[in-house]
Amino acid sequence: DGGITQSPKYLFRKEGQNVTLSCEQNLNHDAMYWYRQDPGQGLRLIYYSQIVNDFQKGDIAEGYSVSREKKESFPLTVTSAQKNPTAFYLCASSINEGGSGYTFGSGTRLTVV
Amino acid sequence: QQQVKQSPQSLIVQKGGISIINCAYENTAFDYFPWYQQFPGKGPALLIAIRPDVSEKKEGRFTISFNKSAKQFSLHIMDSQPGDSATYFCAASIRGGYALNFGKGTSLLVTP
Repeated sequence: DGGITQSPKYLFRKEGQNVTLSCEQNLNHDAMYWYRQDPGQGLRLIYYSQIVNDFQKGDIAEGYSVSREKKESFPLTVTSAQKNPTAFYLCASSINEGGSGYTFGSGTRLTVV
Repeated sequence: QQQVKQSPQSLIVQKGGISIINCAYENTAFDYFPWYQQFPGKGPALLIAIRPDVSEKKEGRFTISFNKSAKQFSLHIMDSQPGDSATYFCAASIRGGYALNFGKGTSLLVTP
């Protein structure tokens, strides 16, 4: 059963801590993405990766970091530099460019306590 | 800078009615326009998509109307059902590009 798995579903972070969100896909997709969703703001692109060991900043990359060491995995680290990290984070993948064929994970809700 | 502007922000429709959500864009390099449906606590799922070489695409109760000269596209949900209650996002992407540019979303409530 192919798809994207995000974990954990809920995550709580203390201020000043880094936290890593997991995203794994078994769709054999080349491209992977991280979006942030806030109420009334739509989805905003944080980072994306077209191939292994390569990634590009999106519109709101400040305070975030990513790695792409394996085709199946694209973890997102929310660093202490991100001043307002509470949000719903969505990982997606696509087989190629052009925007078509996006598959989203079920998301991770991060809350700063 | 929001590259895709979506309206309305929220919409209430009676069961059996037509739900209409509109989007507008400025970048003429966009050539793929999908609509996504999202239920609470879930990721968005592709509903229907269109490319600018056609003016309309229909899949079941869902229709996209596309007006290239006006740089606008809309989603029509015919015979709306309570199960259609969700948040809908329009999006656009550039040929050869990777990222989808999303609108801010429309929260649809279909009342019984």
